This record gives sequence, structure tokens and C-alpha cells, in this order.
Amino acid sequence: EDKVVQSPLSLVVHEGDTVTLNCSYEVTNFRSLLWYKQEKKAPTFLFMLTSSGIEKKSGRLSSILDKKELFSILNITATQTGDSAIYLCAVDQGAQKLVFGQGTRLTINP
Amino acid sequence: NAGVTQTPKFRILKIGQSMTLQCAQDMNHNYMYWYRQDPGMGLKLIYYSVGAGITDKGEVPNGYNVSRSTTEDFPLRLELAAPSQTSVYFCASRQGGTGPYEQYFGPGTRLTVT
Repeated sequence: EDKVVQSPLSLVVHEGDTVTLNCSYEVTNFRSLLWYKQEKKAPTFLFMLTSSGIEKKSGRLSSILDKKELFSILNITATQTGDSAIYLCAVDQGAQKLVFGQGTRLTINP
Repeated sequence: NAGVTQTPKFRILKIGQSMTLQCAQDMNHNYMYWYRQDPGMGLKLIYYSVGAGITDKGEVPNGYNVSRSTTEDFPLRLELAAPSQTSVYFCASRQGGTGPYEQYFGPGTRLTVT
């Protein structure tokens, strides 16, 4: 059975800390891995990763994929309260479908 | 562009009632999807469509039906609502082709069945 597992499920840190969110996957067909941020409503797109070892970066957020070990990490440096959200990892299997992990709920305390 | 829109935002149904969740997109995307998100969980695919007239089941299709008569609209029908269908429902779309492409999500419909 295809599955995507995220860890930790919940994380509480202080503003200014650096966090690393993990996503591991076992799927029959891999095309890409996507990270989304979900605040109160719809998930919003952060990154799409298709190749191992190439870091994607956007401001304080970065992500990298390891296709040999079947995992990805999402790093957030110098966290701010606005980073509080659920972070979702999903794998595109190529059959036009995404398989989502359970999400990591990140809380940044001032 | 409005992107992906969903109506209603909230709805309370009694057990056994039926309703249709509406979804529309104005990005001329061929692919559209319906997901549900239960508390503390990720998104699970209910149904998807790769174009007008073509639909297929996802991971959790039981209790739901869809149709796709136009590129823009992809309504989700709940027949005989059950408490297990209490969830937040998201519609999404993406452009056609072999990709990979990101999916764009609507704001969601929060449904409670009591």
C-alpha cells in the first residue's frame, strides 16, 4: 500500500528557532514530492521536488529530496509566529493523484 | 482569476439527507479533484477527473458521486449522509499534461452530519 509518513506530528518551538520537518514515502510510482502549508483554510503550495540532492529555497524555507532513502525534509530557519501552520507532504504518483501524509502541526510561540 | 472556488463554506446535514458540494475553477485546468480531510489527518482523495465527461474513483469514494459536464465545474454529491462523512472537503485542480504539476486548492467546505 502506498504511504507517506510525516514526523513529528506536532512541534512547538519558540520564535527564532530552526525546525526540520520530515517526510518519508513508500509508493509504487514516484514522479515528484510536494510540500504544502495549510493555515486556516486551503493548502498553499511551497515546493515541488523531483531530483535528489537539489535544494529548493524560498526565503527562510528550504527543502531537499533523497530518492535513494525515500525521504524529504523541510527546513524553516529563524521561525516567526506566521509560520504556525500544518505542513503537508504529498507524493505525486503520476496517475494524476497525490498521496498525502498526515501533516505536521507546527506552533511557533513568541 | 478567482482560482478554485467552493460553495457552501459550511453546512450541517441531518443523517440521511443529501447535498451537492459545488466546485468551480477558472484556470482552464483539465484535472480536478475532491479530497476530504478529517481532524488531525492529511487529505484523502475521493474522486478525480482528467477532463469533461471522465471521472474516476480515488481512495475513499463510497457514499459519494461526481460528474464533470464542463471543464470548469466538478460537483460532489453526497447521498444519504452519515456521521462518518463529517469532514472538511477540498476541491483542487491542476493543468493537464504529463507534469509533474502542482495542484491548486479551493478554500474548503466544512460539513457536519448529525
